[in-house]
Amino acid sequence: DARVTQTPRHKVTEMGQEVTMRCQPILGHNTVFWYRQTMMQGLELLAYFRNRAPLDDSGMPKDRFSAEMPDATLATLKIQPSEPRDSAVYFCASGFDQGVKNIQYFGAGTRLSVL
Amino acid sequence: RKEVEQDPGPFNVPEGATVAFNCTYSNSASQSFFWYRQDCRKEPKLLMSVYSSGNEDGRFTAQLNRASQYISLLIRDSKLSDSATYLCVVKSGGYQKVTFGTGTKLQVIP
Repeated sequence: DARVTQTPRHKVTEMGQEVTMRCQPILGHNTVFWYRQTMMQGLELLAYFRNRAPLDDSGMPKDRFSAEMPDATLATLKIQPSEPRDSAVYFCASGFDQGVKNIQYFGAGTRLSVL
Repeated sequence: RKEVEQDPGPFNVPEGATVAFNCTYSNSASQSFFWYRQDCRKEPKLLMSVYSSGNEDGRFTAQLNRASQYISLLIRDSKLSDSATYLCVVKSGGYQKVTFGTGTKLQVIP
């Protein structure tokens, strides 16, 4: 059963530290999404890649967040420097773009706490 | 106005009841629609796609009303295991931008 793998599952860090979250999409999928979920905002799209190219990162705070796909098996989301308001669950999802039928499969998420 | 809006609930219903959720969307050019389910402290998982003609999967029925710009999810004969948050998802835009609603929480009680 293919899955999206995210690491780490939990991260506790201090304000100002760099945080790197990793995602291994399902083999063969050509789209990758990064989301942030909080109780107040729900699921917010941070970044979207298709065939490793970034298509939309308008939801991402550019001054501190960056998202990359160095290869087809790895997507990264970095926060530098981290702030307490970044505390949330970060989900990665992958899918195969079939036009309107791009179903997304989510990883288990990285639960980030910034103290 | 939010792109996708859902009643956050919670909807508290007894086992065996029928419950329905609606989700409204603002972009009339939206092209595809889905319902996802998210259990507490878990990731969202696809429940079903929503087709123009409406579709059914067991106890679940999804419908799309393009004229009024909403989709609905009907759950018949509710089970305790149906307790979860149900997320409405709308795809639109040139690159198929995906927008999630904030979810409707369902609690099925014995």
